[in-house]
Amino acid sequence: EAAVTQSPRNKVAVTGGKVTLSCNQTNNHNNMYWYRQDTGHGLRLIHYSYGAGSTEKGDIPDGYKASRPSQENFSLILELATPSQTSVYFCASGDDGTGGSGNTLYFGEGSRLIVV
Amino acid sequence: SQWGEENLQALSIQEGEDVTMNCSYKTYTTVVHWYRQDSGRGPALIILIRSNEREKRSGRLRATLDTSSQSSSLSITAAQCEDTAVYFCATTGGYKVVFGSGTRLLVSP
Repeated sequence: EAAVTQSPRNKVAVTGGKVTLSCNQTNNHNNMYWYRQDTGHGLRLIHYSYGAGSTEKGDIPDGYKASRPSQENFSLILELATPSQTSVYFCASGDDGTGGSGNTLYFGEGSRLIVV
Repeated sequence: SQWGEENLQALSIQEGEDVTMNCSYKTYTTVVHWYRQDSGRGPALIILIRSNEREKRSGRLRATLDTSSQSSSLSITAAQCEDTAVYFCATTGGYKVVFGSGTRLLVSP
């Protein structure tokens, strides 16, 4: 049973339109993350949250907003989508690193966004 | 080695060979995680190594960590075709988790 679920899994949006990517986790983790992954590249951090009501900017936050209304849900919002935001977006929850194991992330299956 | 905005590196080997992937990180961390990403899936943790460990083994995987040079490596012994995947290192600073650019490993029969 998937513990991190993303929706939609695939989305085609028009330039200038609003896009919301949703993420739900059943791990009861405090931390949640949004990354984007472009072909041939690694994962780049957009926004993260350390609990309900909190959002923090990652390394590439421009053009994106985030919302964490509850422990379980974390959304990524593109108010005015642009073709440069065409990518695969991954959501993850993190376990706070109990026992000195660092912050292990558990990922969803990804949301493929194409902006035309 | 892999980090940040660099393009994904690619390695191609034959089944049965050993392979090592390297990672250099920029900021202080107490743990280095190594993740594996299969095609079309999200990454998943395969091994982690703490700053007080120089080496960690798990099956055919071996991770090393050198905090003085801020580098880590992941080795796979006797690679199998099913080891074909993209491998990332990741470090944690506070709540923030940053990934290296990754290595795409192709293991051929």
